[in-house]
Amino acid sequence: TQLLEQSPQFLSIQEGENLTVYCNSSSVFSSLQWYRQEPGEGPVLLVTVVTGGEVKKLKRLTFQFGDARKDSSLHITAAQPGDTGLYLCAGEDWGIYGGSQGNLIFGKGTKLSVKP
Amino acid sequence: GAGVSQTPSNKVTEKGKYVELRCDPISGHTALYWYRQSLGQGPEFLIYFQGTGAADDSGLPNDRFFAVRPEGSVSTLKIQRTERGDSAVYLCASSLIAGGPTGELFFGEGSRLTVL
Repeated sequence: TQLLEQSPQFLSIQEGENLTVYCNSSSVFSSLQWYRQEPGEGPVLLVTVVTGGEVKKLKRLTFQFGDARKDSSLHITAAQPGDTGLYLCAGEDWGIYGGSQGNLIFGKGTKLSVKP
Repeated sequence: GAGVSQTPSNKVTEKGKYVELRCDPISGHTALYWYRQSLGQGPEFLIYFQGTGAADDSGLPNDRFFAVRPEGSVSTLKIQRTERGDSAVYLCASSLIAGGPTGELFFGEGSRLTVL
């Protein structure tokens, strides 16, 4: 069974601080996605990484996929209160089909609170 | 509307009752997914439709759960003989295509089911 472990589970920081959250697995994933979810809403996709070692930047957010495609990190620079939310990573194994089959495996998430 | 629409947003029922949850995906999206999110957990895959057919129903927990998408658009998740453990937020998502590198999943706000 493929599992994604996210750490830390909770993170409370002051506005302007930097932070990194992690997503780890013992399994190899074909792709990994990061989502942000706010209370009462569905997750919203932030980024998809596919290639081992890939780094993607989205404004103050930097995403990295591990070389072995088993882990990923999300780094936020100069966090703002608007970054508050639940950050979820989700992995997918394309298996023999060589493409998405819709069966994303989600971690439990990191709940981030950024105080002004 | 432009997004994925789920109804009802909240449903409270008694143990043993039958429940239907409806999902109206983004127009033109051929792939539709159901996930379940329990408190403090990440979303858990239930079933995935490509058009009218269930391409993968491996996440349905048991035969009390069933989903249909008769015309390839709206989908209904049906739960028979509800149990307290079925209480969760049921999330629906749709994507433009499936079968290739994971496209963006657009999630609805979810239907919160509470079984008393």
